[in-house]
Amino acid sequence: DTGVSQDPRHKITKRGQNVTFRCDPISEHNRLYWYRQTLGQGPEFLTYFQNEAQLEKSRLLSDRFSAERPKGSFSTLEIQRTEQGDSAMYLCASSLGGNKNTEAFFGQGTRLTVV
Amino acid sequence: RKEVEQDPGPFNVPEGATVAFNCTYSNSASQSFFWYRQDCRKEPKLLMSVYSSGNEDGRFTAQLNRASQYISLLIRDSKLSDSATYLCVVTRLGGNTGKLIFGQGTTLQVKP
Repeated sequence: DTGVSQDPRHKITKRGQNVTFRCDPISEHNRLYWYRQTLGQGPEFLTYFQNEAQLEKSRLLSDRFSAERPKGSFSTLEIQRTEQGDSAMYLCASSLGGNKNTEAFFGQGTRLTVV
Repeated sequence: RKEVEQDPGPFNVPEGATVAFNCTYSNSASQSFFWYRQDCRKEPKLLMSVYSSGNEDGRFTAQLNRASQYISLLIRDSKLSDSATYLCVVTRLGGNTGKLIFGQGTTLQVKP
């Protein structure tokens, strides 16, 4: 399977714990995006990378959220001191960036439940 | 005000009906436009890009009105399998402005 893969698919954690999610994009894609989605809402932008550079981070994100893409390939999203409001589906997507935006392909997501 | 707005619906239509969704965007710098489809508890997938001249793909037609800053999606001869959430997406070309901005989504239920 050469699509976008995310791990884990599901995560249940206790409030206050740290969690880390991984995303492996399509290999030739230089752009990688993280989104969060709750029931009945569209995906909400969190951050995105072009190669290893983090180009933008949502102002809605608290300092508890951090993302990395150290070698311009896979990315990790860490949430520290999780809160119940962090419960959501976390989606990763990748695309070929540049002067012409191309289709973004999404992974199946990581569903986080904070109890 | 959200940058991309859609009527969440749901739109309940019978099989064979024609249904249209609109989406408005607030940032005139928006340059690329897409419709994504999302099935229940699945990831979004590209349905079609929206070009300035409008474009058609089978039963689906997308239109862009830059002056009024809205895009539309028309589905003809609705099928049961068209039941899903349709997400309007805008982005901007070039440079560092590559993020995809999603609307809330419009839910379509096609009934037998």
